[in-house]
Amino acid sequence: GQQLNQSPQSMFIQEGEDVSMNCTSSSIFNTWLWYKQDPGEGPVLLIALYKAGELTSNGRLTAQFGITRKDSFLNISASIPSDVGIYFCAGQLLGSNYQLIWGAGTKLIIKP
Amino acid sequence: DSGVTQTPKHLITATGQRVTLRCSPRSGDLSVYWYQQSLDQGLQFLIQYYNGEERAKGNILERFSAQQFPDLHSELNLSSLELGDSALYFCASSLGTSGGAYNEQFFGPGTRLTVL
Repeated sequence: GQQLNQSPQSMFIQEGEDVSMNCTSSSIFNTWLWYKQDPGEGPVLLIALYKAGELTSNGRLTAQFGITRKDSFLNISASIPSDVGIYFCAGQLLGSNYQLIWGAGTKLIIKP
Repeated sequence: DSGVTQTPKHLITATGQRVTLRCSPRSGDLSVYWYQQSLDQGLQFLIQYYNGEERAKGNILERFSAQQFPDLHSELNLSSLELGDSALYFCASSLGTSGGAYNEQFFGPGTRLTVL
């Protein structure tokens, strides 16, 4: 089936650092969604992107819909302890039956 | 609070048993999705219903089944349970199956199933 490659798989960062993660595919998408999951909780939608090149912010989070429509990235600026969790990307393939394809997640861990 | 509710929050049962997980979608949402998440794993899509009808199937075992009722709530039935079925089970809902915002899925808090 279709796959999204999400990287990195995990990140160890210092509080205050900027974070960047991305999702790539060989297929073209017309929607990208970024979610965050806290331990034991359900994923929460952070940012939704619908147009190639679109850049959208939500507080310290910024996500972009790649111009080729095959990738998306999420940046977190000045990380804080509550940013810890797993971040998932999900995309809707162009011409699909509106199903979402999910990345495997990026686990963010803040070094003590 | 996403507006999606799931019950029960925790479920402990024995191998070979059958359980039913329940989900109520956000008000106005017609699509319901079920996901399985094993420890430290990603989200595995199981099945989707739209307005009472099955719309898509993912990696759902034959021992598992689901349905969506006329009031749009959904139930996931897991039978002949095995140790490996222990996981978090999430329900999500969305407005429908069109593009754009209709595709945004909102997740419930999950049901943690432990099979002993």
